[in-house]
Amino acid sequence: EDQVTQSPEALRLQEGESSSLNCSYTVSGLRGLFWYRQDPGKGPEFLFTLYSAGEEKEKERLKATLTKKESFLHITAPKPEDSATYLCAVPMYSGGGADGLTFGKGTHLIIQP
Amino acid sequence: KAGVTQTPRYLIKTRGQQVTLSCSPISGHRSVSWYQQTPGQGLQFLFEYFSETQRNKGNFPGRFSGRQFSNSRSEMNVSTLELGDSALYLCASSLLGQGGETQYFGPGTRLLVL
Repeated sequence: EDQVTQSPEALRLQEGESSSLNCSYTVSGLRGLFWYRQDPGKGPEFLFTLYSAGEEKEKERLKATLTKKESFLHITAPKPEDSATYLCAVPMYSGGGADGLTFGKGTHLIIQP
Repeated sequence: KAGVTQTPRYLIKTRGQQVTLSCSPISGHRSVSWYQQTPGQGLQFLFEYFSETQRNKGNFPGRFSGRQFSNSRSEMNVSTLELGDSALYLCASSLLGQGGETQYFGPGTRLLVL
């Protein structure tokens, strides 16, 4: 069964303190791994898509990397506005050609000033 | 380009009632997926529509149904509401709904069942 596991569940950092969030997955035939950011009461906001091991993508203070078994979201010198829940997801293959996403439970990140 | 829109944003219903939620995808997107988000289960896939046809369905009871119109707008219906249906319902759109394609989410509809 396809599975996505994120760690840690929660992380509290001081402003400027860099860290990494982990997303491990078990899926046959990865066809993309997605990172989203979700603020309370809002829908997930797309951040990155990674397709193959070794791929990296960056956006401001965030960098996502991918290996054959896991993905990392590195956050460098975070600011309080980076506080959010970060979700990773992989598409499910149903054979019917239409893929829903399987999400991890997310990492709740708090950046203290 | 306008994002995914969902209406209403908030709903309060009582057990046994039914509810219909609406989603308008990003212009040009033909695939619409629905998800349920709860604190305990996280985000779970409900179903996906493309060209007015349901192509895939998650592990939810038949009380959850949906449809898609020719303009790609989609509706989701939940009949005989239960307390456990209280959740944030999210709609996401993508161009063709193919594996590996990015899905863009709307703001969600917060449903409270009393």
